[in-house]
Amino acid sequence: RKEVEQDPGPFNVPEGATVAFNCTYSNSASQSFFWYRQDCRKEPKLLMSVYSSGNEDGRFTAQLNRASQYISLLIRDSKLSDSATYLCVVNKQDSSYKLIFGSGTRLLVRP
Amino acid sequence: EPEVTQTPSHQVTQMGQEVILRCVPISNHLYFYWYRQILGQKVEFLVSFYNNEISEKSEIFDDQFSVERPDGSNFTLKIRSTKLEDSAMYFCASSESILSGANVLTFGAGSRLTVL
Repeated sequence: RKEVEQDPGPFNVPEGATVAFNCTYSNSASQSFFWYRQDCRKEPKLLMSVYSSGNEDGRFTAQLNRASQYISLLIRDSKLSDSATYLCVVNKQDSSYKLIFGSGTRLLVRP
Repeated sequence: EPEVTQTPSHQVTQMGQEVILRCVPISNHLYFYWYRQILGQKVEFLVSFYNNEISEKSEIFDDQFSVERPDGSNFTLKIRSTKLEDSAMYFCASSESILSGANVLTFGAGSRLTVL
């Protein structure tokens, strides 16, 4: 099983749609969870950290399910500018230094 | 907003040549990292650096790689004898903390290395 697994997509949605991505991770001892966003040929940028109780930042909502070892990201009212690759990131078991990146889920928002 | 800066943005080199990639992390950050991303693939951890020494490295980070903090601001990645498969985007990152949930990485714009 991959350490961090994501559906590569692409998810092709119209503006205004709600879209959800899931990510599964293999190490039950992982403690840090993030969603990063990466535009084509650019660096990853933090979208949001994911907390156990779930958290929301504007149109974005992240959830963590430790029992099932998955993380989700919900984007409401999609904008054209949301088109990007969304990276699920988890710290390596027994390591605070090393973050493991998923391969990313590509989102295309069309007019 | 504080940022991580990297130079060069793109370097083309011949196989077997040495390459040094430079990074200036965010000034109050204590933890430094190099990641790489081969075109079309995922971002991969190479090495982390704290208190002037390597704190962790991946299996990719073999003897041809080294890191250094030569002064108070720069953080460098040296590839001693480049191979074709070293062609990738190399991202430098820094973080203020490694505490769970707070180990947020800020990435530089990357240095694209092309080995011919």
